[in-house]
Amino acid sequence: ETGVTQTPRHLVMGMTNKKSLKCEQHLGHNAMYWYKQSAKKPLELMFVYNFKEQTENNSVPSRFSPECPNSSHLFLHLHTLQPEDSALYLCASSQVQTGLGNSPLHFGNGTRLTVT
Amino acid sequence: TQLLEQSPQFLSIQEGENLTVYCNSSSVFSSLQWYRQEPGEGPVLLVTVVTGGEVKKLKRLTFQFGDARKDSSLHITAAQPGDTGLYLCAGGGRGSTLGRLYFGRGTQLTVWP
Repeated sequence: ETGVTQTPRHLVMGMTNKKSLKCEQHLGHNAMYWYKQSAKKPLELMFVYNFKEQTENNSVPSRFSPECPNSSHLFLHLHTLQPEDSALYLCASSQVQTGLGNSPLHFGNGTRLTVT
Repeated sequence: TQLLEQSPQFLSIQEGENLTVYCNSSSVFSSLQWYRQEPGEGPVLLVTVVTGGEVKKLKRLTFQFGDARKDSSLHITAAQPGDTGLYLCAGGGRGSTLGRLYFGRGTQLTVWP
């Protein structure tokens, strides 16, 4: 039990489908993140939310649309994806960083996405 | 972009052997975190080092932060099959990038019984 729950664990979708990934954290953290993990690449930060406000969009294509209704929940809405978007999508949470020494990230177990 | 290079990319050893993996950069970081990721799971934090030259031990794992805060190493003594996983280092940004974490590609470690 990591304290960060992601659903679904696996998702297969066609390029014309619309689906959503869900993340919920039970740690009382104020910051939530979406990361993309592809083979042979470093973890790629996609979006950051602090206190429900989006503070970072790392040049992510508009076919990925995040939503953060409160500090405990984070969604990633997907539409018209491409096969190269197939990857493991990881949600994470942390306390808001306020000084030296970064707050550790608590990751969920990810959603394995396959776009056909 | 602050790049972190991890080496080796893959490491396959027998139970009981010692090993060291490296995390190097030309950039200075405010801190350095090490995570381990097992198949089907998300990364889990092992340690955070903050001070240049700092050494932390976690049972059979020894972590060191370089004096200049640009690199780090992870040494495992008497490796066990349970140590198998992807080891990721992540450097903390400074100044305008404070709060950002920059990840390396990881070292995939396999320990055979």
